[in-house]
Amino acid sequence: RKEVEQDPGPFNVPEGATVAFNCTYSNSASQSFFWYRQDCRKEPKLLMSVYSSGNEDGRFTAQLNRASQYISLLIRDSKLSDSATYLCVVLGSSGYALNFGKGTSLLVTP
Amino acid sequence: GAGVSQSPSNKVTEKGKDVELRCDPISGHTALYWYRQRLGQGLEFLIYFQGNSAPDKSGLPSDRFSAERTGESVSTLTIQRTQQEDSAVYLCASSLAMTANQPQHFGDGTRLSIL
Repeated sequence: RKEVEQDPGPFNVPEGATVAFNCTYSNSASQSFFWYRQDCRKEPKLLMSVYSSGNEDGRFTAQLNRASQYISLLIRDSKLSDSATYLCVVLGSSGYALNFGKGTSLLVTP
Repeated sequence: GAGVSQSPSNKVTEKGKDVELRCDPISGHTALYWYRQRLGQGLEFLIYFQGNSAPDKSGLPSDRFSAERTGESVSTLTIQRTQQEDSAVYLCASSLAMTANQPQHFGDGTRLSIL
């Protein structure tokens, strides 16, 4: 079983839609969780950290369910510029190596 | 300020040649990481440096891979006798410290193609 699993998509949504991505992780001892965004042929960029209490940054909301080992990202009022691959990332038990999901592809259309 | 800088951006070389990839981390970042992303795959951790030390080299795919860091700054990843399966994007990241809540910031990567 892979350490981090995501639905690869693609998710095709119209502008203004709300879209949710899910992710599961296998190591119950994992302590830190992140969502990164990766545009085509570009480097991953940190979108937001994910905290146990859930956190929001503008149109983006991240949730963590430790009992289910499940992480989610909600994007409200989608913009064309949100089109990218969203990477679920978990800090491994090593404490330094990030474990990346393969990413979920989002395409926002006019 | 400047982000993580990697060079070259692209490298095409023949099978069997040696290649050297360079990473300049964000100034003041003590932790530096190398990852590899093969086509259609997720990022794969290779090695990290805390200062100039690399305590764990188990992520390196084979003994053809080596890395060093000097002056707690620039790092080089060297691949000897390259093989076609080494073709990938090699990404470097740095973080202020090697603690769980410090996010890693990535460079643009070096796209390596082995013919």
